[in-house]
Amino acid sequence: DIQMTQSPSSVSASVGDRVTITCRASQGISSWLAWYQQKPGKAPKLLIYAASSLQSGVPSRFSGSGSGTDFTLTISSLQPEDFATYYCQQANSFPPFTFGPGTKVDIK
Amino acid sequence: QVQLVESGGGVVQPGRSLRLSCAASGFTFSSYAMHWVRQAPGKGLEWVAVISYDGSNKYYADSVKGRFTISRDNSKNTLFLQMNSLRAEDTAVYYCAREWCSRTSCPKDYYYYMDVWGKGTTVTVSS
Repeated sequence: DIQMTQSPSSVSASVGDRVTITCRASQGISSWLAWYQQKPGKAPKLLIYAASSLQSGVPSRFSGSGSGTDFTLTISSLQPEDFATYYCQQANSFPPFTFGPGTKVDIK
Repeated sequence: QVQLVESGGGVVQPGRSLRLSCAASGFTFSSYAMHWVRQAPGKGLEWVAVISYDGSNKYYADSVKGRFTISRDNSKNTLFLQMNSLRAEDTAVYYCAREWCSRTSCPKDYYYYMDVWGKGTTVTVSS
């Protein structure tokens, strides 16, 4: 199975800050990676697919990059509604689809 | 609008069974593969199972293989998860989710991401 790791596990940031989250796969996954946002008590929401493609309706302050084993999610200017937990997910090899452990973005 | 609504969760004793349902609306259900994903209390996301758009192909996480069965009824726009021999570690919120790629856009038996999620149903396994 492909293992996914994320760093940091949590980050404290202020509104307007630029936030970068890293996701690493245990083996190359090309660009088969997605990012999800989950707010407390809510279902996850797809933000980015194919490593860098913005899902319809997602604000352009979210961007993704990377390929192979190393990926990043960047929020260019953090907004109040962006405080949440973010997960990466690999889609290169299944079963299983595997998620990263999550990165919690909270208020500084 | 596109919507998924799970039901069937509850409190069940270890070793017992439970059947979850997921009612789909607002899209052509029979054109999409469907996933189940779960989240234990305070933990991250764990993919559970996927079923092809026509129900002919099914894949499971090792943690549930042989105990859980995913199925669908395209005539009723409904996805199911039959959970047998439940364990305490199966306690979680269970989400159904639509596969990102429809059968008109991707080859059969290719699965990628989950683009529409239900709100989840809670399963608690406890004596």
